[in-house]
Amino acid sequence: SAVISQKPSRDICQRGTSLTIQCQVDSQVTMMFWYRQQPGQSLTLIATANQGSEATYESGFVIDKFPISRPNLTFSTLTVSNMSPEDSSIYLCSVEDDAGRAFFGQGTRLTVV
Amino acid sequence: AQTVTQSQPEMSVQEAETVTLSCTYDTSESNYYLFWYKQPPSRQMILVIRQEAYKQQNATENRFSVNFQKAAKSFSLKISDSQLGDTAMYFCAFSTTSGTYKYIFGTGTRLKVLA
Repeated sequence: SAVISQKPSRDICQRGTSLTIQCQVDSQVTMMFWYRQQPGQSLTLIATANQGSEATYESGFVIDKFPISRPNLTFSTLTVSNMSPEDSSIYLCSVEDDAGRAFFGQGTRLTVV
Repeated sequence: AQTVTQSQPEMSVQEAETVTLSCTYDTSESNYYLFWYKQPPSRQMILVIRQEAYKQQNATENRFSVNFQKAAKSFSLKISDSQLGDTAMYFCAFSTTSGTYKYIFGTGTRLKVLA
């Protein structure tokens, strides 16, 4: 199984600012995934990040709001831009192994005030 | 489009007893994966058990087992000998076996194990 380190684990941010979340994996992976979990809700996929190409965003998520970088096969960042209180959520990164099992980081709890 | 439904928002069980969490799904795919994930208060999503749709045999992992009914599109999780550490949110999830293994999660069941 993959070990995923995600940071920060939590942050409180002012509205209008941006936060970049980092995700580091202990092995090389082709795809990394970013999810949002709003308070009391399930996980919703934001985007899929491949190394060397632009991320693929799901319906309702756009690159200007959630820019993603994927500079190599073990690392990715998600930025939450121009934040508003509605962006308060847990953000999780994930990778999948060859058997289709997903492994998750510890999550970043973001509160926008 | 695939959907995953968990109809039990909350459940409780006495320590050492058995509890079953329900999940139904909808898909037109013939082959896929189904999962149960556990999310304790620490927020870490932990894989509990995985079922491949082409396998008729129900998956088992220690105290955790599933009842997979492919025709009924049902995938329930049974926890035997419940322990206090089983207290968590449990999410049922679906993934295709082709393309990007995109996951669809249910809305979750909050399980509380009572001492």
